[in-house]
Amino acid sequence: KNEVEQSPQNLTAQEGEFITINCSYSVGISALHWLQQHPGGGIVSLFMLSSGKKKHGRLIATINIQEKHSSLHITASHPRDSAVYICAVFAQGGSEKLVFGKGTKLTVNP
Amino acid sequence: KAGVTQTPRYLIKTRGQQVTLSCSPISGHRSVSWYQQTPGQGLQFLFEYFSETQRNKGNFPGRFSGRQFSNSRSEMNVSTLELGDSALYLCASSFGRWTSGSSYEQYFGPGTRLTVT
Repeated sequence: KNEVEQSPQNLTAQEGEFITINCSYSVGISALHWLQQHPGGGIVSLFMLSSGKKKHGRLIATINIQEKHSSLHITASHPRDSAVYICAVFAQGGSEKLVFGKGTKLTVNP
Repeated sequence: KAGVTQTPRYLIKTRGQQVTLSCSPISGHRSVSWYQQTPGQGLQFLFEYFSETQRNKGNFPGRFSGRQFSNSRSEMNVSTLELGDSALYLCASSFGRWTSGSSYEQYFGPGTRLTVT
């Protein structure tokens, strides 16, 4: 079992829909990171959070440390949001190394 | 301000050869991290360099090595290439060490796509 699990693996939405991508992890963490990877490979760092909630434009990330779960929400989705969204955690204990989920591929249709 | 650049962008090598990939961070950034991305394993952390010293290393064999120069540019080397080393290799830079407590943002380069035949 992977230490970081994302769901769903693939998601198709219509423009304007509210999107939720989930990330569950099985290890103790000190922080969680959401990344966006566009077709072609370019990666953009979206959020790093260790508690609560962060918002940037139409993107909202939440984390529940007790439940070992984070969600990434996209409000009023747009075709340009089509990308792979990747969750990664800094595992606690010893040296800090990022452990990545396999990603959620989002397609937003006009 | 120029972004993170990686050279070359594409590379084809034969099994058993060695390869060197280069990463130039954003001006002023001192931390460079390297990642490998494959369809099967997804993204995996390779190593992090800060001020010319390797600060962290992922679970990769000794065939994977790297270094950082005084101008913060970094190179990674893979010796005795195997078919399984075919991947997209990404580097990312940040102003300071990129750890869980960091308030610095990490910026990714476009990657080098390595194909081993």
